[in-house]
Amino acid sequence: GQNIDQPTEMTATEGAIVQINCTYQTSGFNGLFWYQQHAGEAPTFLSYNVLDGLEEKGRFSSFLSRSKGYSYLLLKELQMKDSASYLCAVRPGGAGSYQLTFGKGTKLSVIP
Amino acid sequence: DGGITQSPKYLFRKEGQNVTLSCEQNLNHDAMYWYRQDPGQGLRLIYYSQIVNDFQKGDIAEGYSVSREKKESFPLTVTSAQKNPTAFYLCASTRQGVGNEKLFFGSGTQLSVL
Repeated sequence: GQNIDQPTEMTATEGAIVQINCTYQTSGFNGLFWYQQHAGEAPTFLSYNVLDGLEEKGRFSSFLSRSKGYSYLLLKELQMKDSASYLCAVRPGGAGSYQLTFGKGTKLSVIP
Repeated sequence: DGGITQSPKYLFRKEGQNVTLSCEQNLNHDAMYWYRQDPGQGLRLIYYSQIVNDFQKGDIAEGYSVSREKKESFPLTVTSAQKNPTAFYLCASTRQGVGNEKLFFGSGTQLSVL
């Protein structure tokens, strides 16, 4: 089976740094994705990790440890517009298989 | 501009009625997906299609049906057998060939029961 866990809610202050954790147990692994979703809107792609280590993209960074089944998304210099849900998703893989399995998402509230 | 178009944005279903959600993409993607999202829940896979005229059940296919007659189109029908259809429905597509291909999502359809 597939199991992806992330915290339900987090609150952080504008200008601060926040780390959103994700742990996974899946039948296979062919990459981990982070998406941002504002309420009532489509998820938008943030990052992709398939090898261990840190991927940095502007204010956002994502880390992966395959041996620990663990990832985190790091958001720096938080802005009010970063208030959204952040979805962790795993591509379990398999021949010709590209669908993603999603966690329940972490709702981040950025306060002044 | 290339993208995925879902319609309508809001849809209401009466008891015993079938309704169809539209999803069209002009990204030339082979694979298309339907996900359901309930409040406080993650996205759950309903159906997916990796090639025209072929589709596979996802984790929660009961009460839904799909077709893939054209590469660009992947409509979802919510049948009367789906007893709890109220949810936010998201269509997505991706290229195939390498593992880092991300899903592109449409803007979603909110379905409610009258």
